Amino acid sequence: GENVEQHPSTLSVQEGDSAVIKCTYSDSASNYFPWYKQELGKRPQLIIDIRSNVGEKKDQRIAVTLNKTAKHFSLHITETQPEDSAVYFCAASETDSWGKLQFGAGTQVVVTP
Amino acid sequence: DADVTQTPRNRITKTGKRIMLECSQTKGHDRMYWYRQDPGLGLRLIYYSFDVKDINKGEISDGYSVSRQAQAKFSLSLESAIPNQTALYFCATSDSVAEAFFGQGTRLTVV
Repeated sequence: GENVEQHPSTLSVQEGDSAVIKCTYSDSASNYFPWYKQELGKRPQLIIDIRSNVGEKKDQRIAVTLNKTAKHFSLHITETQPEDSAVYFCAASETDSWGKLQFGAGTQVVVTP
Repeated sequence: DADVTQTPRNRITKTGKRIMLECSQTKGHDRMYWYRQDPGLGLRLIYYSFDVKDINKGEISDGYSVSRQAQAKFSLSLESAIPNQTALYFCATSDSVAEAFFGQGTRLTVV
């Protein structure tokens, strides 16, 4: 089955700096890669996703890159703000199984003012 | 707003007791999922259902069972709860063309 590894497990950044979280996956059949943000005591919420037919996707301060050959994908947050503090999860699945996700272990991001 | 609702939100139960967690959705999605979240392990899939007559085991189904009572309802049961089933449980929904949407979660403690 699919295995998703996520690094780092914790990330502390100064407000205004960039944050990068990296994930690798094992199953070459995976073609859908979402990123979820979970604030303390809240549900995971989708912030951005990418499908295997593109290499990069951007939404305001958030971008995701995908390297299918190397089986890795990354989340980039620019100009970090205190409200970006949360746990971020990467995940992988096949696009005909949207919600059947294999998650990474999560990254605790702390943005200090 | 269309949503995914889990009940109860918090539950403390004793070892050996049977407990049911319920999930209902108004998003009109046909697919429903149960995930378990443990610190440092992310979310792991317990069971999933692509329609009312379809039930599939996920990564960690041992000790759990599910029932899909209707398109909008998907219940998770622990037949005989044990302490290592203490966790945060999330229900999620999706359709065939869109991403998963999660409920608010149920915090379960087995003592």
